[in-house]
Amino acid sequence: QITLKESGPTLVKPTQTLTLTCTFSGFSLSTSGVGVGWIRQPPGKALEWLALIYWDDDKRYSPSLKSRLTITKDTSKNQVVLTMTNMDPVDTATYYCAHTVEMATITPPFDYWGQGTLVTVSS
Amino acid sequence: QSVLTQPPSVSGAPGQRVTISCTGSSSNIGAGYDVHWYQQLPGTAPKLLIYGNSNRPSGVPDRFSGSKSGTSASLAITGLQAEDEADYYCQSYDSSLQGVFGTGTKVTVL
Repeated sequence: QITLKESGPTLVKPTQTLTLTCTFSGFSLSTSGVGVGWIRQPPGKALEWLALIYWDDDKRYSPSLKSRLTITKDTSKNQVVLTMTNMDPVDTATYYCAHTVEMATITPPFDYWGQGTLVTVSS
Repeated sequence: QSVLTQPPSVSGAPGQRVTISCTGSSSNIGAGYDVHWYQQLPGTAPKLLIYGNSNRPSGVPDRFSGSKSGTSASLAITGLQAEDEADYYCQSYDSSLQGVFGTGTKVTVL
């Protein structure tokens, strides 16, 4: 059974750096093809793809946010960490992590999602 | 920033058929990358509904179907039910293999 759970601060101040942790179970990030991604959703708005890290440390970032994002993995702890620098009120959103696996395609879906964590950016 | 365009809303009576379009470009859907669809019920995380353009994960009713042609994709819901009232998102990848989501469509059951 695959589960993922996001954790981190619920409130950050403008200009601060946000660090979110995705702790998962039911799979290993050392297994060929497996990946974990981050997606966010501002209140009342659409989903936004942020970043993705694969088992072999291949990393992908949203072009519009690439300069502010870093994604890393700790295979031994079953965790993926996303950092986002220079936070702004427009970054207020629910942040989700999700599981993916390249099988028959190099562009796989997110098949398991965490419950999400709401991060508010305000002074 | 959504680069896949969806209609903001669609509606239908119970039992009817509704379709949701997802329009991309030659750098994403038109480049041959798969399209996936997600259903998001109010207050919950998205759930994978269709993967690889037209495949349903186990447990998804066959009332849901997907298709893709050129730079666009579509999700169809036949036999619309009250429980289908939700937000729906398409997703694909761009030429750098970075993901992109659609603008989202709210389905209302009249």
